Amino acid sequence: DQQVKQNSPSLSVQEGRISILNCDYTNSMFDYFLWYKKYPAEGPTFLISISSIKDKNEDGRFTVFLNKSAKHLSLHIVPSQPGDSAVYFCAARVSNSGYALNFGKGTSLLVTP
Amino acid sequence: DSGVTQTPKHLITATGQRVTLRCSPRSGDLSVYWYQQSLDQGLQFLIQYYNGEERAKGNILERFSAQQFPDLHSELNLSSLELGDSALYFCASSKRTSGRVSSYNEQFFGPGTRLTVL
Repeated sequence: DQQVKQNSPSLSVQEGRISILNCDYTNSMFDYFLWYKKYPAEGPTFLISISSIKDKNEDGRFTVFLNKSAKHLSLHIVPSQPGDSAVYFCAARVSNSGYALNFGKGTSLLVTP
Repeated sequence: DSGVTQTPKHLITATGQRVTLRCSPRSGDLSVYWYQQSLDQGLQFLIQYYNGEERAKGNILERFSAQQFPDLHSELNLSSLELGDSALYFCASSKRTSGRVSSYNEQFFGPGTRLTVL
């Protein structure tokens, strides 16, 4: 049962434009959400996170938005750069589960020059 | 480099065999997590250890087991291997499991072990 869903397997964006990656979840007990970035042959790298008590968190070019009523979060990358090309995973955690993460299947982002 | 090491990088074995995957967490990290990434799936949580004790269990098969040793390294044992066990196995580490809801301990992932069962 996939509790975190990334419905777009891939996304292509032109350099300098905005990339928007989406994620939906079903478990209302999730209290923390994260985005990880993964390059081929490497492990996932933490990018940005947001607590369920907030609706926005910003870190440089990366902003995560959380809409709890819609059980939806999104990652905005502005401006997009070719080096951002990677697979992006959305993840969520329930606080009483030992901090284990539930991951989506990922969205492959390609930023073209 | 996340500071988490995993060995071996690649493992090819036959059905019915048993293998051991090894993980060394970042210096100072007490929690170790194991995840499996199959071809058509996202990362699936398998099991977590904290300071030598099992803390949480996910979708881990009975044929799989893990342990965390006093030096905090962890091993994931996979036995009676089947073709469907072919996957990437990631280890992650973080500092602690307890804390306020508003705090979060980031998980640092190793490069993974690619297991191929023939």
